[in-house]
Parts: sequence; structure tokens; C-alpha cells
Amino acid sequence: DAGVIQSPRHEVTEMGQEVTLRCKPISGHNSLFWYRQTMMRGLELLIYFNNNVPIDDSGMPEDRFSAKMPNASFSTLKIQPSEPRDSAVYFCASSLAALGVGYEQYFGPGTRLTVT
Amino acid sequence: KNQVEQSPQSLIILEGKNCTLQCNYTVSPFSNLRWYKQDTGRGPVSLTIMTFSENTKSNGRYTATLDADTKQSSLHITASQLSDSASYICVVSARNAGNMLTFGGGTRLMVKP
Repeated sequence: DAGVIQSPRHEVTEMGQEVTLRCKPISGHNSLFWYRQTMMRGLELLIYFNNNVPIDDSGMPEDRFSAKMPNASFSTLKIQPSEPRDSAVYFCASSLAALGVGYEQYFGPGTRLTVT
Repeated sequence: KNQVEQSPQSLIILEGKNCTLQCNYTVSPFSNLRWYKQDTGRGPVSLTIMTFSENTKSNGRYTATLDADTKQSSLHITASQLSDSASYICVVSARNAGNMLTFGGGTRLMVKP
């Protein structure tokens, strides 16, 4: 299995531009998570989906952030418009179930976003 | 407020030595606690998951302990190797409608030859 696939691995964009991050979960996993990691705030859960349905988006920082999961094998995290404070590493993870005991989350390699 | 505090923030040890990382939490009601290892430039990888009834769980040279009464966990690394250099993150899940996760800030471990 290729594991969780994220693209791009690195993104540099100018403030105000739209940024789209992509994730392909592990085949057969029905839960998908988007995280953000910064030095200041550590790892934060932004949103997670179960069976393609957003379950909790309370971690999404503001309306500039949106996430979709049109099918079981693809999800996007979009930032529009982007701001310098959005610079971070964004991780996607998937698991066989939401957050229950014993269901491990497998993380992708992350997308390093830099907004100038 | 649910919180997870890890200590130390950073640690340097010599190869072959043992070390213990600490995690204190105030998450309630408790569901489970996870330790992750994150190598530089990579995503976190799970080391252990522990539930309320588990006191100790091992994964190779990694041994996690959990004291649900004092709300403390530790991760003990035996006979450290250079490849153990990484950040170690403690994550606690609350037993509620969302089983939401609270993340510690991590301990950055450096193993020197």
C-alpha cells in the first residue's frame, strides 16, 4: 500500500492567492483527517470526515478554510484567500474508523505551505 | 479545559542510554492516549495506543505507561539509537460525542553518538 498520499509536498504562494491541498487516503479507510502543524501551536486537528461526511470542523480557523471529500479516495483543503499566518505543514491522515480505540491513524508526508 | 502537557520540551542523550518522556493530561472523560514519533520532515507515526485499563504497553524498545488516576503517562526508550532522534507527541482522546483529540506540544529528542 502506498500509504496516505498528499500533494503538493511544498507550496509557496503569495498572500491573497487561493491554495488547494490534496489528499488520497489509504484504500479501505473510511475516516480522513486534516491537521495543521506549526512551531508555535504544535499539531492541531482542523476537520475530519467519516464516510465522506464532515463530522467536526470546529478546528477550522476561519471561513477562509474549507474542506471537501467528494469520494472515498480524495479530499481537498482549500484556503482562499491565503495569509502569511497560514504558513504551516498540513497533514492528512486516514483510519479505519473515526477516533475509536484501536483504530490507528496513518499520516501522510505533509504539505509545507509558505505564504509570502 | 482539556490540556496535554509534555516534558521536557527537548532532551539530548548519548547513544545507548535510556530516557523517559512525560505526558500529563487533564482530558476528561478519558478514552485513550497515544504516543507518536515524528521524524523531521515526516508525518507522525503511531507508537502505542493505551486505554483506561492498560498500565503498560511496549513496542520494541519503546514502553509506554499510563496512570489514569494521576492522569500521567510516560514513554521510556531503552538503549537509544541515533534513529530515535525525533519529536514525540502525546495525544489524548476524550470519550465524548466526537472523541476529540488534545495534542501535547511534543518532546524533541536528540540522540548523539
